[in-house]
Amino acid sequence: DAKTTQPTSMDCAEGRAANLPCNHSTISGNEYVYWYRQIHSQGPQYIIHGLKNNETNEMASLIITEDRKSSTLILPHATLRDTAVYYCIVRATNAGGTSYGKLTFGQGTILTVHP
Amino acid sequence: DVKVTQSSRYLVKRTGEKVFLECVQDMDHENMFWYRQDPGLGLRLIYFSYDVKMKEKGDIPEGYSVSREKKERFSLILESASTNQTSMYLCASSSPGDGYTFGSGTRLTVV
Repeated sequence: DAKTTQPTSMDCAEGRAANLPCNHSTISGNEYVYWYRQIHSQGPQYIIHGLKNNETNEMASLIITEDRKSSTLILPHATLRDTAVYYCIVRATNAGGTSYGKLTFGQGTILTVHP
Repeated sequence: DVKVTQSSRYLVKRTGEKVFLECVQDMDHENMFWYRQDPGLGLRLIYFSYDVKMKEKGDIPEGYSVSREKKERFSLILESASTNQTSMYLCASSSPGDGYTFGSGTRLTVV
């Protein structure tokens, strides 16, 4: 699976948008980009994933560059409860186009949301 | 609400004991995984399973074994617990195309 690079830490003011970048310059054509977050003392929580189109759900938006070498997770209105470690992961798909296989977690970005 | 349930939140065991960590999911997922998480090392994959009675080694399988007799249950076994196995253990499940759902974790201390 392709390696990802994320900033070690970021700060954000409550109510503002949090934009978390991820570099995955060696991503393959069959690899999805996944985002998870882990709040202290809890298991990681799935946020969103995408292949090449931008995606949005009730938690966040995912913007993937056209060359797919980087992506940005956007939390549109950050709250104190969004303080967590955010992981960007790339994961392969099988011949049928569905993602499969193990997730390899890096160190992630520690996002701190301030009042 | 879909769930992955780990049998214990906190566990203290003695060196040399055989330890069973249980994980149950109610989502009919094919895939199940065991990770451990340590400060500075992040989450590391121990074992995973794509089907009943099937298992594959992850990145750090030494000192561990697993059992998957039923689709919903994936057990992690420490044959002879050692102090370097003190860690947070996380179970997860998924289906193809889906994200992982993680349990709340078991914090194991081996004394």
